[in-house]
Amino acid sequence: SQQGEEDPQALSIQEGENATMNCSYKTSINNLQWYRQNSGRGLVHLILIRSNEREKHSGRLRVTLDTSKKSSSLLITASRAADTASYFCAMRLNAGNMLTFGGGTRLMVKP
Amino acid sequence: DAGITQSPRYKITETGRQVTLMCHQTWSHSYMFWYRQDLGHGLRLIYYSAAADITDKGEVPDGYVVSRSKTENFPLTLESATRSQTSVYFCASSPSLPRETQYFGPGTRLLVL
Repeated sequence: SQQGEEDPQALSIQEGENATMNCSYKTSINNLQWYRQNSGRGLVHLILIRSNEREKHSGRLRVTLDTSKKSSSLLITASRAADTASYFCAMRLNAGNMLTFGGGTRLMVKP
Repeated sequence: DAGITQSPRYKITETGRQVTLMCHQTWSHSYMFWYRQDLGHGLRLIYYSAAADITDKGEVPDGYVVSRSKTENFPLTLESATRSQTSVYFCASSPSLPRETQYFGPGTRLLVL
């Protein structure tokens, strides 16, 4: 069973708008990562946030982590058509060394 | 500077046949992983390797075999392919601890008829 669940499963917005994706998990984590997957391609790492951090920024990306609610969000500001992709959260659980991936959010940015 | 490559990129086989998917990385990363990606299940870990000659099972290892005789190669073998193994397979590597950033290959699309 998946430890991570993402919401929404699909999101369609206009270019220039902000996109917010959420990830919830069930057990305590060491860190949480976000990856992007373009159609037909492998996953690309975007950002990592550790369990003792609450917010991180990277360019147009903003990630928050709320360990009390066991949730994280990824915000993409001023979206572009090139941001169209699937976005996955992945978490390293405290019990274990591997990453567990969520089911992903499919983002479509319309020009 | 190829990074991590997978071959073949596409494969069609028949039920019962043996299939080997190749993964090669040029970074000398210690850790390597095999995932399968299916609709409704996201990415699930099949096997991983912490170093040459060290492998361990992931979440869905049944029906798969791996080996790692060299640091740079991590082949995945389906001993007797089944239709349920139709999927997209991704290889990934990580330089140190497996919980840190992973670098993914482009994937192999496998269809088992």
